[in-house]
Amino acid sequence: KAGVTQTPRYLIKTRGQQVTLSCSPISGHRSVSWYQQTPGQGLQFLFEYFSETQRNKGNFPGRFSGRQFSNSRSEMNVSTLELGDSALYLCASRHEGASGNEQFFGPGTRLTVL
Amino acid sequence: DQQVKQNSPSLSVQEGRISILNCDYTNSMFDYFLWYKKYPAEGPTFLISISSIKDKNEDGRFTVFLNKSAKHLSLHIVPSQPGDSAVYFCAASESEYSGGSNYKLTFGKGTLLTVNP
Repeated sequence: KAGVTQTPRYLIKTRGQQVTLSCSPISGHRSVSWYQQTPGQGLQFLFEYFSETQRNKGNFPGRFSGRQFSNSRSEMNVSTLELGDSALYLCASRHEGASGNEQFFGPGTRLTVL
Repeated sequence: DQQVKQNSPSLSVQEGRISILNCDYTNSMFDYFLWYKKYPAEGPTFLISISSIKDKNEDGRFTVFLNKSAKHLSLHIVPSQPGDSAVYFCAASESEYSGGSNYKLTFGKGTLLTVNP
């Protein structure tokens, strides 16, 4: 089974721009979560999507948004980029209904905002 | 408000010795705990988990201990190997079972483990 894939792997943007990141979950996984990893804050939960609906949301401003498609692929969008948005953005998928909250992570997208 | 805390940013041990990574939490609603390992340029990979109804879970060289009254858990790696060198994240959830709005994982900031040959 192919793992979670994320594109692009690296991205450089300037302040004020917007960016869209993509995530393809493991086949059969309908839940997709997004996390932001920074050196100072560790992994912070952004949001979770299940069956094209946002089911849970972390404490991030409205500039961070996402969506999920019918094939469970998910995109995350950040508008009006700020320097502090530079981070590794990780996507994780899991199989709904299974015991254990094991999530499978992708390799991440490294976003640099200049 | 850091609900999951890993107070040691780094830990260095000799190959063959025991590595002990610690994690504290403040949210009494947390019911399920996980450890993830992360190598540079890769996403975190699941290592081991423990439900709040247990106080110990073992998987090969890895053992996780949970002390609910102290809101403390630890990961023991015995014996430590150079390939174990990575960042280890402790994570917690309000529910062991996936589904529903309680699912969200809350992570600590991680501990960089270095195992010296």
